[in-house]
Amino acid sequence: KQEVTQIPAALSVPEGENLVLNCSFTDSAIYNLQWFRQDPGKGLTSLLLIQSSQREQTSGRLNASLDKSSGRSTLYIAASQPGDSATYLCAVRLPGQNFVFGPGTRLSVLP
Amino acid sequence: DAGVIQSPRHEVTEMGQEVTLRCKPISGHDYLFWYRQTMMRGLELLIYFNNNVPIDDSGMPEDRFSAKMPNASFSTLKIQPSEPRDSAVYFCASSLGTVSQPQHFGDGTRLSIL
Repeated sequence: KQEVTQIPAALSVPEGENLVLNCSFTDSAIYNLQWFRQDPGKGLTSLLLIQSSQREQTSGRLNASLDKSSGRSTLYIAASQPGDSATYLCAVRLPGQNFVFGPGTRLSVLP
Repeated sequence: DAGVIQSPRHEVTEMGQEVTLRCKPISGHDYLFWYRQTMMRGLELLIYFNNNVPIDDSGMPEDRFSAKMPNASFSTLKIQPSEPRDSAVYFCASSLGTVSQPQHFGDGTRLSIL
């Protein structure tokens, strides 16, 4: 059974710092991995999607990498801003359309 | 473009009552997903549809839960009878069927069963 974990569970950093969020999964048989952010009381917003054949994806200050063989993905946020404060979740897409989500990392960027 | 629309945003009801949650997916999306989010269990997939047909309902917790998708623009998740342990945030998401397309989530329904 696929399990997804995220480290750390919570992170607090001062504005301007670069930071890395980690996602691990137990079964490398995935189609893709997606990073989301969730703001309080809101749904999930898709940030980046990495196909299983890809190594990384970039969008603005965000960069996500994928090492399928080791079951790991990282989300790198450059020059963090208070507006980046949210919970970040990763999800792996299994054969078929099933998705398994990690528990999330709660990020606070302090001004 | 309109995103995934869920209603109601909040629902408070007494134990034993029937609860119906509604979802309108993004136009043109052929997959629709229902999730439940709790502090203890995180985000769990309950059921998903492809072209209005339920494909995998293995995540539905028990027979009190049922989901329908009568057409491409509407789906319901029903709980009957409801219990306090059903209290959670229920999300609907939709996507195009190709592997390369992301899921798009609604803002969720926060359900409280008293």
